[in-house]
Amino acid sequence: DGGITQSPKYLFRKEGQNVTLSCEQNLNHDAMYWYRQDPGQGLRLIYYSQIVNDFQKGDIAEGYSVSREKKESFPLTVTSAQKNPTAFYLCASSMSGAGAYDEQYFGPGTRLTVT
Amino acid sequence: AQSVTQLGSHVSVSEGALVLLRCNYSSSVPPYLFWYVQYPNQGLQLLLKYTTGATLVKGINGFEAEFKKSETSFHLTKPSAHMSDAAEYFCAVSQRGTGGGNKLTFGTGTQLKVEL
Repeated sequence: DGGITQSPKYLFRKEGQNVTLSCEQNLNHDAMYWYRQDPGQGLRLIYYSQIVNDFQKGDIAEGYSVSREKKESFPLTVTSAQKNPTAFYLCASSMSGAGAYDEQYFGPGTRLTVT
Repeated sequence: AQSVTQLGSHVSVSEGALVLLRCNYSSSVPPYLFWYVQYPNQGLQLLLKYTTGATLVKGINGFEAEFKKSETSFHLTKPSAHMSDAAEYFCAVSQRGTGGGNKLTFGTGTQLKVEL
């Protein structure tokens, strides 16, 4: 089955710790994305990547970092600099990213709670 | 800059009644428009999309949406609601990102409740 996997489903961390969220896809998609979802705010783009070893900041990149060393993997690190990290994080991918009409396919999400 | 407005953060309908979820967009170029559905604690699933051509778009689970350029709208409808339709629905508009990739701008979502 092709799809996007995110692990873990739930993640708990203490304030001040960095944490890395995993995202893997076997759809052979070129482009990958990270979104943050908060109640009543929809989804906001954190980072996106069209090709390996290249990525761009989205609308709310401060306090986050990413890497894209392999086509199928796009991990997101939530650093201690992120002021309000508790949220639901969604990873997505699209076929090429060359066309704005490409739909994005979403993973099941990781719910991060920082106390 | 593009934006999406979803009117009504919560909509409640009776089972068997018409579902109408409203979406208006703002875009400086011809838009690509999407509707996604999200069930609790899950990712988003594409319902339908508009790119070019026919303005009435049919999607999965009996949903459809009509692109109206003059009204800058892309409202989602379903003739007869089912209990399984209860979920959150997001409208989104797409544009090319500066580094490639297609950036989706989402509305704030509409929670649909279906009552017996």
